[in-house]
Amino acid sequence: FMLTQPHSVSESSGKTVTISCAGTGGSIASNYVQWYQQRPGSAPTIVIYEDKQRPSGVPDRFSGSVARSSNSASLTISGLKTEDEADYYCQSYDGTSVVFGGGTKLTVL
Amino acid sequence: EVQLVESGGGLVQPGGSLRLSCAASGFTLEINGMTWVRQAPGKGLEWVSSISGSGARTFYADSVEGRFTISRDNSKNTLYLQMNNLRAEDTATFYCVKDLWFGDLSSVAWGQGTLVTVSS
Repeated sequence: FMLTQPHSVSESSGKTVTISCAGTGGSIASNYVQWYQQRPGSAPTIVIYEDKQRPSGVPDRFSGSVARSSNSASLTISGLKTEDEADYYCQSYDGTSVVFGGGTKLTVL
Repeated sequence: EVQLVESGGGLVQPGGSLRLSCAASGFTLEINGMTWVRQAPGKGLEWVSSISGSGARTFYADSVEGRFTISRDNSKNTLYLQMNNLRAEDTATFYCVKDLWFGDLSSVAWGQGTLVTVSS
């Protein structure tokens, strides 16, 4: 089971961006998907857990979803701010392992 | 407040060994699943190993199976990663993570990481 993300996305400040995470080799809906944000020089932090839940402290501009039809998960960030510029990773499970997507670099123009 | 502080990283020659530690505070280690994740310089996140709260179940990535051992000392509230027969491709920052697996996903927390460099 693998998770594939676009290498990079860019969008203007104030706009909305969606980062995709495609599952291959299994159903992405079989296990929860998490999303992590990693700013340069810092450790990752979780922004979405259990497909669509936001941890306390994460603004509601961040939302997550899973689509069985396309076997993919998505992270949507609305009202983009310069502070959202970071790498984003999706993560799920494959029976006896943890699986990470390759990461997406978000540039806020 | 939950805190995870990794230590033990450094420069080691190929074939050498290192033991990483992750000192936990603000919660009881023995009731939480713990995980090691690494990140090679300029690369993405890679899962390394996980241990269940009871310690009864351990899992490893194929790339480290047979060379790395995850363990915990509940009396010291500390997680360990014993790394043997290190290779150049093991060079990475290693993070310990609470609750990423076998845990409460609403409480996931990452340490700041410790850098391991494998080079002659």
